[in-house]
Amino acid sequence: DSGVTQTPKHLITATGQRVTLRCSPRSGDLSVYWYQQSLDQGLQFLIQYYNGEERAKGNILERFSAQQFPDLHSELNLSSLELGDSALYFCASSVAISGVGEQYFGPGTRLTVT
Amino acid sequence: AQSVTQLGSHVSVSEGALVLLRCNYSSSVPPYLFWYVQYPNQGLQLLLKYTTGATLVKGINGFEAEFKKSETSFHLTKPSAHMSDAAEYFCAVSDQGGSEKLVFGKGTKLTVNP
Repeated sequence: DSGVTQTPKHLITATGQRVTLRCSPRSGDLSVYWYQQSLDQGLQFLIQYYNGEERAKGNILERFSAQQFPDLHSELNLSSLELGDSALYFCASSVAISGVGEQYFGPGTRLTVT
Repeated sequence: AQSVTQLGSHVSVSEGALVLLRCNYSSSVPPYLFWYVQYPNQGLQLLLKYTTGATLVKGINGFEAEFKKSETSFHLTKPSAHMSDAAEYFCAVSDQGGSEKLVFGKGTKLTVNP
C-alpha cells in the first residue's frame, strides 16, 4: 500500500459526459501528479500540483482540468468525454517539488467511456 | 526532450534464470532514472532509482540496475527469476533541472515460466 488513495476504482460513463476523479496523497506529500495509462499511448504525464499551485503541465487536453485543495487532495475533471478517453488514470504524490523524490502511485481509476 | 526506449515489449524467462530488461534513455541533461513495477490491477511501485553517485543501484526484491552514461542505458537485472516477478516493468526518466514529470517507456511485460 503506497498510502495514495484514489476514488472511484472503476467508472463507466457515456460519451459527452463529465466525471471527476479524486486523489488523496500520502500524509506529508505536497506534490500531486496525474498520469494517464492507455494501450496506445502508454503512461503519460498530465499535470502536477504543488501545495495548491499548478507546477507542470504535460499532454493534458483542454477538456481536462485539475486542482489541488487546501487539504492537499486533488481532483481531475474530465469533460465532453470521448471513447478515446477510456484509460487508467493514476495519481502519484511526492514530498519534493521536483522529480528528485520518489513518486508514490495510487491504485488508479479505470475509466470506461461507452 | 527526454525519451525512454524499452527494448522488448515482452520478455519470457524460466524460473531461476537471469532477468535482463533493457532501457535506453535520451536526455540533454544528466538524468534521474527510475524502474517501476506494475502488478496486474495495481498501481506502480518503485523498484529503484539512480540520481547521482554510484552507477550500480540496488533495489527491492533482488533487482539492480547499472547507469551507463556512455551507452545511455539503465538496464534492469535480477540474477534468478522468481514466479512472483511476473509483472510489467517501466523505465522512467526525469531531468536534474527540476522538471517534475516522469517520462515513461512503453513497458516490458515479464513472464516467468516454471
